[in-house]
Amino acid sequence: GQQLNQSPQSMFIQEGEDVSMNCTSSSIFNTWLWYKQDPGEGPVLLIALYKAGELTSNGRLTAQFGITRKDSFLNISASIPSDVGIYFCAGQLAGSARQLTFGSGTQLTVLP
Amino acid sequence: DTAVSQTPKYLVTQMGNDKSIKCEQNLGHDTMYWYKQDSKKFLKIMFSYNNKELIINETVPNRFSPKSPDKAHLNLHINSLELGDSAVYFCASSQGQRLTNEKLFFGSGTQLSVL
Repeated sequence: GQQLNQSPQSMFIQEGEDVSMNCTSSSIFNTWLWYKQDPGEGPVLLIALYKAGELTSNGRLTAQFGITRKDSFLNISASIPSDVGIYFCAGQLAGSARQLTFGSGTQLTVLP
Repeated sequence: DTAVSQTPKYLVTQMGNDKSIKCEQNLGHDTMYWYKQDSKKFLKIMFSYNNKELIINETVPNRFSPKSPDKAHLNLHINSLELGDSAVYFCASSQGQRLTNEKLFFGSGTQLSVL
């Protein structure tokens, strides 16, 4: 299947710092989504993006749909301890009404 | 009140056994899924059902058999469990008649350990 390259694989940051992570692909996507998975729970949708260039915020989270439609970025500002978890990007391929492809995840640790 | 609920939360069993995981959603969604998350946290779709009809069946051994008695339930039965089946299995659902709705709602997962 199509692959999404998500980076970084893990991050250790101090509380209050800003965080950036991204996903790239060699394929074009119609939709980009960002999910967060807390320990012992299922992923929860954070932000959904539908148009190239779209910039959407959800509280301290901001995500962008890349102009080329082959990438997406997620930024978290002023991190807090409850931001800890695994962040997944997911995309829906152009020309296909099929399932989401998930990235490999970014494990975020916020140090006090 | 849980939107997508799956049971059991933990399942420990011996190789060769048969086991089932149940999933129910009370969101009124038309499509339900099973995902497998491996030890590296990679999420991979296994099956998808739309209104009780199988839509997606990825390359999954036929020891895995999904069953959807109605559109609110999608159970997963696994025969002859193998060590490599150990993983976290997530049920999910989404709205819409076709697989164009990308907003998945996940259950809290079933940690399967095969000894």
